[in-house]
Amino acid sequence: EVQLVESGGELVQPGGSLRLSCTASGTTFSLYGFNWVRQAPGKGLEWISYISSSSGNTMDYADAVKGRFTISRDNAKSSVYLQMSSLGDDDTAVYYCSRERWFGDREEYWGQGTVVIVSS
Amino acid sequence: EIVLTQSPGTLSLSPGEGATLSCRTSQTVRSSYLAWYQQKPGQAPSLVMYGASNRATGIPDRFSGSGSGTDFTLTISSLEPEDYAVYYCQQNDTSPMTFGPGTKVDMK
Repeated sequence: EVQLVESGGELVQPGGSLRLSCTASGTTFSLYGFNWVRQAPGKGLEWISYISSSSGNTMDYADAVKGRFTISRDNAKSSVYLQMSSLGDDDTAVYYCSRERWFGDREEYWGQGTVVIVSS
Repeated sequence: EIVLTQSPGTLSLSPGEGATLSCRTSQTVRSSYLAWYQQKPGQAPSLVMYGASNRATGIPDRFSGSGSGTDFTLTISSLEPEDYAVYYCQQNDTSPMTFGPGTKVDMK
């Protein structure tokens, strides 16, 4: 069974930094790309970043986080990371990672989310 | 970026009634890249429909999806108690991936 577990979320002061982790099990990790999606309190879903499979040569970011967030992966640890810096109030959200769905896949896997609160 | 608009914002329906959820995109989206998600309070989103009209694993056949171009629909033929949730459409045809604002299906 595929499982994704996010961690690293916490209360952080405005302007601070944080690194989120997403660790996968039950899957051949290196074959898949991964997304980070966030959800602010009471709001909808917002895609923020993607990293491609294998060496992760392709990375993509939403404009809202470009230049502040960096996505990376460690295939040996079956983990994807989101390094966040210059955090502001509007970065407060639940952060989910999800495994990319290949064309025709009938399933998609998401973690349970990790909570980031930016507040002084 | 492709903007997704969902209507209505809220559907108040009784168990057994049918639900029709609409998703409109600001640009043409290939059907293969249009998906629907269900989210219940405190839970991560879960895939309901992919490729506009294909049910995800474990999704009962009371759920159906249709549409093409810029207009897509998720239909629930007869609501069961476990179907009450927020539903989001998503496009992954053109970066950035975008989601609609959601339609809340709540119990009347």
